[in-house]
Amino acid sequence: AQKVTQAQTEISVVEKEDVTLDCVYETRDTTYYLFWYKQPPSGELVFLIRRNSFDEQNEISGRYSWNFQKSTSSFNFTITASQVVDSAVYFCALSEAAVTGGYNKLIFGAGTRLAVHP
Amino acid sequence: EAQVTQNPRYLITVTGKKLTVTCSQNMNHEYMSWYRQDPGLGLRQIYYSMNVEVTDKGDVPEGYKVSRKEKRNFPLILESPSPNQTSLYFCASSLRASGKATYEQYFGPGTRLTVT
Repeated sequence: AQKVTQAQTEISVVEKEDVTLDCVYETRDTTYYLFWYKQPPSGELVFLIRRNSFDEQNEISGRYSWNFQKSTSSFNFTITASQVVDSAVYFCALSEAAVTGGYNKLIFGAGTRLAVHP
Repeated sequence: EAQVTQNPRYLITVTGKKLTVTCSQNMNHEYMSWYRQDPGLGLRQIYYSMNVEVTDKGDVPEGYKVSRKEKRNFPLILESPSPNQTSLYFCASSLRASGKATYEQYFGPGTRLTVT
């Protein structure tokens, strides 16, 4: 069965610290997609990244970076030099390869609440 | 601006009083879905739709109905709301998955529902 585990419920850091949010997933499929979403205090869900299971290259976007390791079934998210605006709940999600018909279900982890203090 | 809209954003109602939460997207997406978010549980899928007139149950469909009469709209209906349906609800849309590819979903702003 599909499952996404975000073991860190809450993380608190001081501005400019680096922080890593962990995500471990379970799936029996060989083709799947992983996602990260950000939910700021205003409540909306903001898409951050989509990564397929055949692409293990790390991704960097500004202060954000993602480390995908199939060997450990992990897709961790690092924020470098954190800022107060990074304070949010971050969700990791998994979607298995589409079966005929275009099914596109996301399985979410419980989320990690990040608080960045000045 | 490409977006998913939901209305209302906040709703307080009483047990048993039928309500509808509307969802609309302007991105011409085939796939639409409803999720509920509860503390410690992340988001769980209620219903989804792969195209007009095609809907199916997600993980927690009990107590909910949906319809997809137009591509852009996907309303969520609670025929007889109960307190355990108090939650934060999100509508989402995306391109329809094809082959081995699935796509990111874009979410509406959320509807906070309280049932007393």
